[in-house]
Amino acid sequence: DAGVIQSPRHEVTEMGQEVTLRCKPISGHNSLFWYRQTMMRGLELLIYFNNNVPIDDSGMPEDRFSAKMPNASFSTLKIQPSEPRDSAVYFCASSLGQGRGGYGYTFGSGTRLTVV
Amino acid sequence: AQKITQTQPGMFVQEKEAVTLDCTYDTSDQSYGLFWYKQPSSGEMIFLIYQGSYDEQNATEGRYSLNFQKARKSANLVISASQLGDSAMYFCAMSSNNAGNMLTFGGGTRLMVKP
Repeated sequence: DAGVIQSPRHEVTEMGQEVTLRCKPISGHNSLFWYRQTMMRGLELLIYFNNNVPIDDSGMPEDRFSAKMPNASFSTLKIQPSEPRDSAVYFCASSLGQGRGGYGYTFGSGTRLTVV
Repeated sequence: AQKITQTQPGMFVQEKEAVTLDCTYDTSDQSYGLFWYKQPSSGEMIFLIYQGSYDEQNATEGRYSLNFQKARKSANLVISASQLGDSAMYFCAMSSNNAGNMLTFGGGTRLMVKP
C-alpha cells in the first residue's frame, strides 16, 4: 500500500487566491482527518469524516475553509480566499475505526502551504 | 472532551542513555487508545507505539516502551539506548469511543540527543 497520499507537497500562493489540498486515504480506511500544524498552535484537528460523511468540523477556522469527501478514496481541503495566517503544514490522516492496535492512524507527508 | 498534556517542551539526553517523555491525559471514557508519534525535521508523522486502555501489559516496540499508569492517567514514552537519529519532536495522542474516531494530540516534546 502506498500509504496516505497528499498533494501538492509544497504550495506557495498569493493572498486572496484559492488553494486546494488533496488527499487519497489508505484503501479500506473509513475515517479521514485533516490537521493543521503551526509553531504557535501545534497540531489542530480541522475536520474529520467517517464513511465519507463529515462528523466534526468545529476545528475549521472560518468560512474560508471547506472540506469535501466525494468518495472513499479522495478528499479535498479548500481555502478561499487564502490569507498569510493560513500558512502552515496541512496533514491528512486516515484510520480504520479508532486505529485499534495503533496501526490504523496513518499520516500523509503533509502539504506545506505558504501564503504571501 | 479529551485532553493530552505534555509538560516538557524540550529535553536533552546523552547518546546511549534512556529517556522518558511525559504524557498525561484526561478523559471520561473507559475505552480509549494512546499513541506516540515521532516527527523528525523532515516533517512526516511516524507512528511509534500504541496502548489500549484495557491492555494489562505495557506496550513495547523495540527500543520504545510505554509506561502506562491508568490510575494516574499517564502514558509516558521511554526510549532506551538513545541514538542521534532519535532527535525529533514527539507527540502523545489519544482516541476514544465517545470522541468518535478523532485523534487528539498533545503539544509535543522536542528531544535532542547529544553525542
